[in-house]
Amino acid sequence: NAGVTQTPKFQVLKTGQSMTLQCAQDMNHEYMSWYRQDPGMGLRLIHYSVGAGITDQGEVPNGYNVSRSTTEDFPLRLLSAAPSQTSVYFCASRDRQVGYGYTFGSGTRLTVV
Amino acid sequence: KNQVEQSPQSLIILEGKNCTLQCNYTVSPFSNLRWYKQDTGRGPVSLTIMTFSENTKSNGRYTATLDADTKQSSLHITASQLSDSASYICVVSAKNYGQNFVFGPGTRLSVLP
Repeated sequence: NAGVTQTPKFQVLKTGQSMTLQCAQDMNHEYMSWYRQDPGMGLRLIHYSVGAGITDQGEVPNGYNVSRSTTEDFPLRLLSAAPSQTSVYFCASRDRQVGYGYTFGSGTRLTVV
Repeated sequence: KNQVEQSPQSLIILEGKNCTLQCNYTVSPFSNLRWYKQDTGRGPVSLTIMTFSENTKSNGRYTATLDADTKQSSLHITASQLSDSASYICVVSAKNYGQNFVFGPGTRLSVLP
């Protein structure tokens, strides 16, 4: 039982490049989310999904796309990287019952130059 | 606007001492409040969760309190250990607020030998 697995752990992109951050969970959780964490700020929700085939925007969705073709996987795509997207990205999943907290991945540190 | 504030921003204590971290929120209508511990370079890990009717909950040396009337919570750490060095994040969720949990900016705790 690996929990939530994120890859890569570190990435450097040039402005304008695109890439996909991978996220997989093996707990059969229905809910999955992507957050970004910037210094001095709380985690901010980018996109979330309440089940396979269902996604929705969070607080800061611009510049990012997601898809949820399976319960296990929830990739985050950066369409055209910008320096403002330099951040640490966390994927998280949880059971549908609201009393359960999120299980977080270990994060992806992204630098856009 | 739903917000979560935490104080202090950072704290340094000696090993073996106690400390208390504060969380104030304006999230409404309130559903539950969680405290997470985030080690450097890792994703947050849940410590406690409290609903409206609960005013205290313990997890080992960690004790969380909740005053739903004043919209305040605290996390008390007893007999601190070096491994307690981490960021502690207060997260509040509102009823009918979709999948967006409001994250505080965190308190950075450093425990020195």
